[in-house]
Order: sequence, then structure tokens, then C-alpha cells
Amino acid sequence: EPEVTQTPSHQVTQMGQEVILRCVPISNHLYFYWYRQILGQKVEFLVSFYNNEISEKSEIFDDQFSVERPDGSNFTLKIRSTKLEDSAMYFCASERVGGIGYGYTFGSGTRLTVV
Amino acid sequence: DQQVKQNSPSLSVQEGRISILNCDYTNSMFDYFLWYKKYPAEGPTFLISISSIKDKNEDGRFTVFLNKSAKHLSLHIVPSQPGDSAVYFCAAREMFSGGYNKLIFGAGTRLAVHP
Repeated sequence: EPEVTQTPSHQVTQMGQEVILRCVPISNHLYFYWYRQILGQKVEFLVSFYNNEISEKSEIFDDQFSVERPDGSNFTLKIRSTKLEDSAMYFCASERVGGIGYGYTFGSGTRLTVV
Repeated sequence: DQQVKQNSPSLSVQEGRISILNCDYTNSMFDYFLWYKKYPAEGPTFLISISSIKDKNEDGRFTVFLNKSAKHLSLHIVPSQPGDSAVYFCAAREMFSGGYNKLIFGAGTRLAVHP
């Protein structure tokens, strides 16, 4: 069964450092997303990406965040200058056209710890 | 701004009995609702969904009920099994003209099924 793959599974970084979280979406999917979950809280939408541009971003997704799909397969989330409050699980998701439900697949997440 | 609410953070059920997980929403524009199951260190996994034009959808042991007038949905698991122990997230879909699907999640309910 196709999977969304995220690396690394856990990243520890110092406050103020840049981090890049990587995702390999399912190959025939066209829509890509990042969500995050602060420990014990709900999963929150960060950004959606389609046709090499951002479709929508949330209030959380400020100027410190960026996404790109550099090579047609990877989908990355960059945080330029991490803050303590960026500590969370970050989930990548990809979706095929009309794929809501089984066609909308989440990765296992990257646990980001900012110290 | 909690558009999707799961008011019970936890639920404990005996094996073989029914588990009922509840979810309320406030946004009348949501047209599709989903339940996700999440194990520790994994991403959310799609379980079952329901369109806003229906009031019930069944898939094996899982049934979702939607009461639009009350803006309430519930997930029934019958019979409950120990392997069902996980965090269950209710989510609602906002669909946009660009074709992408933004999911709004509740805070989750931790279900424990004990022998």
C-alpha cells in the first residue's frame, strides 16, 4: 500500500536554528499538506500546496515557514528561525484528485523538539 | 475558534461492548465529516466518513451518525476490541474551489478498550 514517508522521525534543534522537514508524498497525488499537533492538542492545518504554489495557509504559517517541492517528489517544510513553541509533531499529507477519505494519506510525522 | 469539538478527552469501554465517540461542530459550511484513528508515533489513519447529505454510514463494526440540525456526529464501534484502543479524531472538510481539502480536527478522544 502506498505510503507518505516523512524524515526524520525526530529532530532536536536549538532555538533560532533553521530546520527542514522532509516528506515524500504518494506518487500520483496532486495536493500536499502540512499539519501539526502540539502535544496533547488537536491536529492543526498549516498549509496546502498544489501545482507548485501555496493554495492556502493558516495564521500559524507566518513568514518563518516556507514550503517547496524542489524536485517533483520531495515536499519540504522549512522553519527559518525556530521558536520553543514550534515544538510539535508535524504531519505531511498528500491527496489524489477527489481523494478525501482513503485518498488523503498522512505520514507518520516528524517530532520537532526546540530547546 | 473551535469549529470541531470533541468534549470527551477519554473513554473506557469493556471489550465486546459498544463505544460511542461524540463530536460537535459549529460551521454550517462543512459538507463532509471524517473519523481518523491515531496510534502513538503514527499519523492519523482514515476510518470512516459521511457526507452532509446523509445521516448514517456503516462500514463493518464502525457506524457514523450525523444529526445536521444538532450539528452533531457520533462514531459507534460494535463490538469494541482491544485493538481499537487509540486516539480518535473527528474532522470536518472545507472544500475550496481549487479542489483541495482542508481538514479541521477536533481535539481527539482517547479510547481504551479493556478485556
